[in-house]
Amino acid sequence: AQSVAQPEDQVKVAEGNPLTVKCTYSVSGNPYLFWYVQYPNRGLQFLLKYITGDNLVKGSYGFEAEFNKSQTSFHLKKPSALVSDSALYFCAYNFNKFYFGSGTKLNVKP
Amino acid sequence: DTAVSQTPKYLVTQMGNDKSIKCEQNLGHDTMYWYKQDSKKFLKIMFSYNNKELIINETVPNRFSPKSPDKAHLNLHINSLELGDSAVYFCASSQGVEQYFGPGTRLTVT
Repeated sequence: AQSVAQPEDQVKVAEGNPLTVKCTYSVSGNPYLFWYVQYPNRGLQFLLKYITGDNLVKGSYGFEAEFNKSQTSFHLKKPSALVSDSALYFCAYNFNKFYFGSGTKLNVKP
Repeated sequence: DTAVSQTPKYLVTQMGNDKSIKCEQNLGHDTMYWYKQDSKKFLKIMFSYNNKELIINETVPNRFSPKSPDKAHLNLHINSLELGDSAVYFCASSQGVEQYFGPGTRLTVT
């Protein structure tokens, strides 16, 4: 079955430290992969996407993600976390319709 | 300008009632969606319309009936509300591979 998985329910980092939110996929063919962020009581906001081309994708708010075909991963990264990055992050893929991961809560402490 | 808007933002109602949630997008997109986010933040697609025509209908109880009067609007009507319908409902639209989400409607059934 095609899916995306986010193995961590929660990630905690200190402000200023690098952060990684993990996502792995199980999709046949060439996946369209996405990261979305959801702030409390808000809708999902698009961060970045991978369609084709360069494996390193840069997105909004200083986030980036690396598409790794051999490891079937699409981890979200940021070199220096901010307290304001604290939110719920969703990995997703688009194959006729959107499939979302279970979400990872990012907690950045001052 | 709000790209994807939903009304109401909050909806509290009793079991057995019928209620509607409205969604409008001013992005000129052809495709619109309804998602349900449960208490564990799991996000699942319910319906998708393309140019007013239903293209995705997940296994959703037939108490849920989407209606698209034009391609800028996708409303969700729910009959005979049940406790398990309590969730946040998100509308989204797309014109390509990425989706744009509304702010959500928090439905509480008592």
